[in-house]
Amino acid sequence: SQQGEEDPQALSIQEGENATMNCSYKTSINNLQWYRQNSGRGLVHLILIRSNEREKHSGRLRVTLDTSKKSSSLLITASRAADTASYFCATDEVSYGKLTFGQGTILTVHP
Amino acid sequence: SQTIHQWPATLVQPVGSPLSLECTVEGTSNPNLYWYRQAAGRGLQLLFYSVGIGQISSEVPQNLSASRPQDRQFILSSKKLLLSDSGFYLCAWRWTQSTEAFFGQGTRLTVV
Repeated sequence: SQQGEEDPQALSIQEGENATMNCSYKTSINNLQWYRQNSGRGLVHLILIRSNEREKHSGRLRVTLDTSKKSSSLLITASRAADTASYFCATDEVSYGKLTFGQGTILTVHP
Repeated sequence: SQTIHQWPATLVQPVGSPLSLECTVEGTSNPNLYWYRQAAGRGLQLLFYSVGIGQISSEVPQNLSASRPQDRQFILSSKKLLLSDSGFYLCAWRWTQSTEAFFGQGTRLTVV
């Protein structure tokens, strides 16, 4: 079953603009992770935020987590054409070992 | 350093034929291992995960099975493939719960 639900399903922006993707989930989590997937490839880990954290930064990435609303957002600032990819949130549930992904957001950054 | 190997990269199989996809991890011990399936343009569906040898958790009841014959080897199998088994299969590993996952490059399976 899918745990995370990303919004929007697709996002198209111009280079230099910011991109914001949202993720909602249903159960209790230890942490929430964001991944990136280039077309036809495996996923690459971007950032992990623990359940007791509210915000985390990594380079041009900013992630927030609101456990009361069971939601997270990923902000990519000053986007580049190379950021074009699919982005997924993954919830690391309290039940041991299970890592569940959402449907993803397809981001297209136009040069 | 750790690496994950997944093969083959592409596979075309007839309906009713068996399936065996293999995934191995190097450079670590007792990893958590995962099999996911991704339909075209969709998210990842968790199929199986294993936190140790002999421990397999199944998420989606279907005609697929998984085995972990060795600590760093995870195999996805089917006795008889269905058309609906087509998809992109991804293997992943991680140190333990609450850590990031590392993915293989995937196997694109087409059942014809």
